[in-house]
Amino acid sequence: GENVEQHPSTLSVQEGDSAVIKCTYSDSASNYFPWYKQELGKGPQLIIDIRSNVGEKKDQRIAVTLNKTAKHFSLHITETQPEDSAVYFCAAGSSYKLIFGSGTRLLVRP
Amino acid sequence: NAGVTQTPKFQVLKTGQSMTLQCAQDMNHNSMYWYRQDPGMGLRLIYYSASEGTTDKGEVPNGYNVSRLNKREFSLRLESAAPSQTSVYFCASFKDRGLYEQYFGPGTRLTVT
Repeated sequence: GENVEQHPSTLSVQEGDSAVIKCTYSDSASNYFPWYKQELGKGPQLIIDIRSNVGEKKDQRIAVTLNKTAKHFSLHITETQPEDSAVYFCAAGSSYKLIFGSGTRLLVRP
Repeated sequence: NAGVTQTPKFQVLKTGQSMTLQCAQDMNHNSMYWYRQDPGMGLRLIYYSASEGTTDKGEVPNGYNVSRLNKREFSLRLESAAPSQTSVYFCASFKDRGLYEQYFGPGTRLTVT
């Protein structure tokens, strides 16, 4: 069936360093790729998304890249801060459905 | 503007008991979704409603039923709870066709003993 693989499952970085999270998807019909941040005890919150007609998108310290040929996309966070510590989920979707990755727990050490 | 609200926040059930999780959104969104979140497995779609009056199964619908009561409200019912349904349940609403302006509720933590 359709699935999204996400790596790494945990990531620890020093404040100020960059963090990269990678996802691969199986459904070639996927045309929408959002990233969510989930803080403890809260619901996921959309932080950035990209559609299949775009290869890269940037929003301040966050960027997402998409390689449709290889079916993978990545989240890049630069100049990490302690408040970036959270669980991050990627997802891939088309029409009404999103398939989520298993999540990456990011810890930013002060 | 409260966004997406869910009740209750926490619930403990005994095996075989039934309950309904409530979800409401005040953003005039067409699509609403129910997910469950288990450790190490991300979010899995249980059911969704693309518009008022329609519902469809997601990845893991067994043991659940849903009702799209009106445009604002989408409820999830467990008829006979099982320990395997212990999870955190999230409701979400989407502005249009499920792929834009997604908003999640705060979640309901359900434990079935």
